[in-house]
Amino acid sequence: QVQLVESGGGVVQPGRSLRLTCAASGFTFSTYALHWVRQAPGKGLEWMAVISYDGSSKYYADSVKGRFTISRDNSKNTLYLQMNSLRFEDTAVYYCARDPSNSGDYYMDVWGKGTTVTVSS
Amino acid sequence: DIQMTQSPSTLSASVGDRVTITCRASQSISSWLAWYQQKPGKAPKLLIYKASNLESGVPSRFSGSGSGTEFTLTISSLQPADFATYYCQLYNSYPLTFGGGTKVEIK
Repeated sequence: QVQLVESGGGVVQPGRSLRLTCAASGFTFSTYALHWVRQAPGKGLEWMAVISYDGSSKYYADSVKGRFTISRDNSKNTLYLQMNSLRFEDTAVYYCARDPSNSGDYYMDVWGKGTTVTVSS
Repeated sequence: DIQMTQSPSTLSASVGDRVTITCRASQSISSWLAWYQQKPGKAPKLLIYKASNLESGVPSRFSGSGSGTEFTLTISSLQPADFATYYCQLYNSYPLTFGGGTKVEIK
């Protein structure tokens, strides 16, 4: 079945880096755009970043632009989020999600279960 | 950036009630709106896309309407499984933006 599985979360100190991974299965990974969306404890959903099907286009929320980098490896059916210069306010559950388009400016029709990132000193 | 405002933020209702949630955009977004349901500790689930299109497998008691700046999600007869938080999301324009959410609680 169609599945997205995030990993790589954990506890990290402010200013440090972390890389999240999202492994996909059950669909033709290379034909879909993919998003990262996060949710801080007790808060709503916040869109972070999107990458087009072939990795040629990427867009970011202002809150992470210049610190986070989205990438993908279509040969491994895997999406990544490199998070640098982490801040306390980056503490959240991070979800990867599939976009039904290949460009990435649509909605999210498949979601992973999320991975938790805690930024703490 | 386009802002999305949901109301109410919390709604108390009983099983069988008709429930309506509103999402307003700060400028016209045509019909580029999706609705999601999220239960505690779970990932969001897509309910509606392009304002009024029901995602496959979603019960028909859910419906969406609206265009331009005002949109509604309606649950025709609230069921126990429907107590959750609902989010709207604009698309076709970056940044993709979610509304603040509406928590539907048991009255």
